[in-house]
Amino acid sequence: GAVVSQHPSWVICKSGTSVKIECRSLDFQATTMFWYRQFPKQSLMLMATSNEGSKATYEQGVEKDKFLINHASLTLSTLTVTSAHPEDSSFYICSARDSGLTYEQYFGPGTRLTVT
Amino acid sequence: AQSVTQLDSQVPVFEEAPVELRCNYSSSVSVYLFWYVQYPNQGLQLLLKYLSGSTLVKGINGFEAEFNKSQTSFHLRKPSVHISDTAEYFCAVSYTGGFKTIFGAGTRLFVKA
Repeated sequence: GAVVSQHPSWVICKSGTSVKIECRSLDFQATTMFWYRQFPKQSLMLMATSNEGSKATYEQGVEKDKFLINHASLTLSTLTVTSAHPEDSSFYICSARDSGLTYEQYFGPGTRLTVT
Repeated sequence: AQSVTQLDSQVPVFEEAPVELRCNYSSSVSVYLFWYVQYPNQGLQLLLKYLSGSTLVKGINGFEAEFNKSQTSFHLRKPSVHISDTAEYFCAVSYTGGFKTIFGAGTRLFVKA
């Protein structure tokens, strides 16, 4: 099956610094990737839709200047959390969409971000 | 507005007992339906999906779900659960005319010995 990887799996950073999370589709091309945020014991909240070669589409209430998304190739999307604060600590999950007609998404293993 | 409702936030059940996790969605258009499982500190794994055809869908790990269009439901079932089935389960829907996937709030399945 299709595999999506994320790197790093966990990261600790100091308040005010920036951190980049990578999402890769390993054995298929993904014109669209999604970034989610998940708080403990809660569901996934869609943050943005990342389209290869164009600007990301952010959901209402998500700060585009804080959560920078770049989808530079058909297999890589990155999420950069800029000027991180403790309230940005969360589990970030990406997914890549099957380019066929199934509308199925393949999820990465997630990245645990802790801002101290 | 489009939405997915998982009717139970937590479902405790004894090992080898049957279980049903309920999911209802709102839609006036055709949908694709999914169930995902999430183990602690991991991403989501697809259990099964309904795209079209037979309304009874079989997935991995002995799970199955039935699509009921008239009741707009997609309940997940397993006839006999194991301790290892303890996890968070998410119901999700994609609308065929749309692009996004909407997730339910999740149901915590807790299997007791």
